[in-house]
Amino acid sequence: QQQVKQSPQSLIVQKGGISIINCAYENTAFDYFPWYQQFPGKGPALLIAIRPDVSEKKEGRFTISFNKSAKQFSLHIMDSQPGDSATYFCAPGTASKLTFGTGTRLQVTL
Amino acid sequence: DTGVSQDPRHKITKRGQNVTFRCDPISEHNRLYWYRQTLGQGPEFLTYFQNEAQLEKSRLLSDRFSAERPKGSFSTLEIQRTEQGDSAMYLCASSLFSIDEAFFGQGTRLTVV
Repeated sequence: QQQVKQSPQSLIVQKGGISIINCAYENTAFDYFPWYQQFPGKGPALLIAIRPDVSEKKEGRFTISFNKSAKQFSLHIMDSQPGDSATYFCAPGTASKLTFGTGTRLQVTL
Repeated sequence: DTGVSQDPRHKITKRGQNVTFRCDPISEHNRLYWYRQTLGQGPEFLTYFQNEAQLEKSRLLSDRFSAERPKGSFSTLEIQRTEQGDSAMYLCASSLFSIDEAFFGQGTRLTVV
């Protein structure tokens, strides 16, 4: 599991602000780079994902940026809302297996 | 079919007992995955099936753990002689072709006392 490092561990952002979460990995065999969102008592849900042939992908308020040479990717949440308060996991992987980071607990305050 | 279904949602067992969890994937999904998530950590891969064939197993899956997927439909995960360290959320996911389409169930929370 140490091969995927996620930061920060926790994040407090005001409503309307930008939340940024980073993920660093070691395994160069990874070819799929997703972010998952998890609410208490629920399973993880795919939020947004990117393939290594693209450096950035935007879906609504969520943007994923990918830096292959640095082996890092990040999640940006624009106009953060209280409903975004959850734990976020990066989970780079291959076709059959994801390797999850340790998670970032995001709290969006009013 | 509204998603991946796991049963039971919660299980409390005494150390040394055997437990079995069930996962019903989304209909027609060929691939089924099991992950384990301990408190404050990200999920860890345990094993995955392509139809009824178990194609990969993690080193985390000790000889006390066994998973099956008879007829390529539902799957069961059995833990024999449970230990306190087995306390975790056991998550099941399914996909049609590859992990990038995977949907997770809500998990089975196991507490070993």
